[in-house]
Amino acid sequence: DGGITQSPKYLFRKEGQNVTLSCEQNLNHDAMYWYRQDPGQGLRLIYYSQIVNDFQKGDIAEGYSVSREKKESFPLTVTSAQKNPTAFYLCASSTLGTGRNTGELFFGEGSRLTVL
Amino acid sequence: KQEVTQIPAALSVPEGENLVLNCSFTDSAIYNLQWFRQDPGKGLTSLLLIQSSQREQTSGRLNASLDKSSGRSTLYIAASQPGDSATYLCAVARGGGATNKLIFGTGTLLAVQP
Repeated sequence: DGGITQSPKYLFRKEGQNVTLSCEQNLNHDAMYWYRQDPGQGLRLIYYSQIVNDFQKGDIAEGYSVSREKKESFPLTVTSAQKNPTAFYLCASSTLGTGRNTGELFFGEGSRLTVL
Repeated sequence: KQEVTQIPAALSVPEGENLVLNCSFTDSAIYNLQWFRQDPGKGLTSLLLIQSSQREQTSGRLNASLDKSSGRSTLYIAASQPGDSATYLCAVARGGGATNKLIFGTGTLLAVQP
């Protein structure tokens, strides 16, 4: 079945450690995104990518890094510089828009990171 | 700066009732509006996508409308069922670019009582 796979579902990290969250899609979508969700707040965009080997910062990129070496993969690294990393992280993908129409966004099941 | 608001924050209805969820946004220059459903601890499931040139979209018991001039969208759920219980999120696409960079509301938590 086509979809977006995130792993791990749950991750615990000690302060000062970097962790990498995996996101793989088999929808053949060009665009991929990382969002962060905190209780009582809307989802916020961390990074996004339209094409392999290229990505752009979203609204809250500080303390995070990404790579896009393959079309189907967009891993997110939460670095020790991220001051408040405990959150629910969601990966998404979409086709690229044409004209004034934009592609529908599809999400993975999420990864919950807890910093101990 | 675009802001998306969803009212009410929580709603409880008896099974079988028709209901409306509201979404408002401050900047009418949007590319699309998308409604999602989120079950506890899960990712988001796309329900309906309304492009800026459209006024509404329908899927089964769901109907979403878009009025850009007033900065509002509604999600209508007909004949609600306990399985509809979830958080419903709306999101608008900010202008510019081929990617779908969404700004999300904080959601409406719906409980349908059997």
